[in-house]
This record gives sequence, C-alpha cells and structure tokens, in this order.
Amino acid sequence: GNSVTQMEGPVTLSEEAFLTINCTYTATGYPSLFWYVQYPGEGLQLLLKATKADDKGSNKGFEATYRKETTSFHLEKGSVQVSDSAVYFCALSGREAAGNKLTFGGGTRVLVKP
Amino acid sequence: GAVVSQHPSWVICKSGTSVKIECRSLDFQATTMFWYRQFPKQSLMLMATSNEGSKATYEQGVEKDKFLINHASLTLSTLTVTSAHPEDSSFYICSARVGSGGKNSPLHFGNGTRLTVT
Repeated sequence: GNSVTQMEGPVTLSEEAFLTINCTYTATGYPSLFWYVQYPGEGLQLLLKATKADDKGSNKGFEATYRKETTSFHLEKGSVQVSDSAVYFCALSGREAAGNKLTFGGGTRVLVKP
Repeated sequence: GAVVSQHPSWVICKSGTSVKIECRSLDFQATTMFWYRQFPKQSLMLMATSNEGSKATYEQGVEKDKFLINHASLTLSTLTVTSAHPEDSSFYICSARVGSGGKNSPLHFGNGTRLTVT
C-alpha cells in the first residue's frame, strides 16, 4: 500500500536559517504529492502540491520538487521566520480507484526562534 | 474560496453522552468528505469517508456504531461520537475536495474539533 515517511522532529532553527524537511514515499502508479501545514490549534492548510514527476510546487517561500527517481518530495525554505513555526505534513493521493484517499506522513514539528 | 467550516471548535462532555460535530463546505459542493482523528503530536488517522446520500465507508478498526456519520446534503456531513468515553478524547478534523475530487485536487480541511470527555 501507499506510505509516506518524513523526518522526525522537532526541528529547531533560528530565524533566517535554511529549512529542509525530508519526505519519501511508496506508492503504485503516479501519485500526487502535497505538503500541508498545521498551526497550533488549527486544522491543516495546503502549502503546496505537485502532480507529476519533476513538477515543483511553491508557496510562501517554500518549495518542493517531485522526484520520481528517488521517490522524494523534500520541503525547503531559504530563510525561515518565527511565523513558520508549525507542524508540516507530507502527503500523497493515490489511484482513483482507491478513492483518492490522502496518506499522511507522521508530521514534522518546526520551531523557529527569534 | 474552498472553505470548510467545522463546528464546534471544542467541546467538553461527560462520559456516556453523545456529541455531534458538523462539517460544512461553505462555497462548494462536496460529494465526499473525510473524517480524521489526530492524537497529540501524531499524524492524522483517516476514520471514514463520508458519501452524500449513501453510507459512509469506515477504515479498518473504526467502530461504525460508535462514530456515526451522516452526509445528508452536498454541503454538510456530521460525525456523532456516541456514548463517549475518555479514550475518545482527541482532535477530530474533517476535509473535502473541490470539484470532481480527482487525485490532483487537494483536500481542504476544517479547523478541527477538540473533544474532551470527562
């Protein structure tokens, strides 16, 4: 079945530091890949997505590239802010026949200190 | 656009009572909605897929008689936790897809409901 593995947190950074959160996946066929962000006490918000190999999703300074050869979708941001402190989830959406269910990674908590 | 509203945002109830959580798609129609449960510092666990006009599809290990799902219209799905116990305390989140709901369409999430059973 489908699965998503992402690096465990927490990740603690100083403001303006470079952030990378690794995400790898296992899936049949050609899944779509997503990064969601969850701020404290809230639901999840879509951060970015990529629907085919070599696509790059980007939003709010975050980027992730769909790498089929390495089955990865690592999230990066060049200069983080305190407001980026949140939990980040990597997810994939698989075959249509499977009901397009989202499979989530375990989440990575990021704490940015001023 | 694509706003999912969830109500209430938090609820405290006594053991043995039932609690209903509502999930509404405010500006789009959702044939299918998803209900997730999230334990502290853990990922989301899909509980069930709610289908408008038909029975929900439950994931393995989720008690359908305990977590009643009703998807009465294209904009409303409800989750009722029946005879709640302290172990049901958790963060419940609903979500829905816009449009045809294909795999390229992201899910839009409600802000979640924190349930505490005393």
